[in-house]
Amino acid sequence: EPEVTQTPSHQVTQMGQEVILRCVPISNHLYFYWYRQILGQKVEFLVSFYNNEISEKSEIFDDQFSVERPDGSNFTLKIRSTKLEDSAMYFCASIRSKAGELFFGEGSRLTVL
Amino acid sequence: GESVGLHLPTLSVQEGDNSIINCAYSNSASDYFIWYKQESGKGPQFIIDIRSNMDKRQGQRVTVLLNKTVKHLSLQIAATQPGDSAVYFCAEKGNYGGSQGNLIFGKGTKLSVKP
Repeated sequence: EPEVTQTPSHQVTQMGQEVILRCVPISNHLYFYWYRQILGQKVEFLVSFYNNEISEKSEIFDDQFSVERPDGSNFTLKIRSTKLEDSAMYFCASIRSKAGELFFGEGSRLTVL
Repeated sequence: GESVGLHLPTLSVQEGDNSIINCAYSNSASDYFIWYKQESGKGPQFIIDIRSNMDKRQGQRVTVLLNKTVKHLSLQIAATQPGDSAVYFCAEKGNYGGSQGNLIFGKGTKLSVKP
């Protein structure tokens, strides 16, 4: 069964450092997403990406965040200067079409010290 | 504003019993709802969805009920098994006209199944 894959599974970084989280969405999917989940809390939408541009973003997705699809397979989330409160699980997700089922990856745990 | 929440944060059931997990939403214009299961250390896994033009939808051992009058959503799991132990989230489509992947999640209910 096709799946969304994410790397790294866990990253520890110092406050102020840049972090890049990587995702490989399901190959024939067209819409890509990043969500985050702070420990013990609900899953929160960050950003959606379609046709090589951001289509929707939440208030959480400020200037410190950026997304990119550098090639035909990877979808990345960059946090420019990490803060303690950025510590969370970051989930990548994708859907095939605008009205499709959303598939999530296993997540990347980010710990900011 | 929009909000999706759960009535019970934890639910403990005996193996073989039926489970019911509830969810309330506040936006009467929401037109798409989904239940996700999240096991420890994993990403949310789609269980079942329902559109606002339906009241009930059944899957394998799961049923979702939608009551638009009181803005309530429930997930019923028949013959609950130990493998059903997880946190269950309801979610609604959060941006009208946008893609179906922009979802607003509730806080989650932890289901524990006792053998």
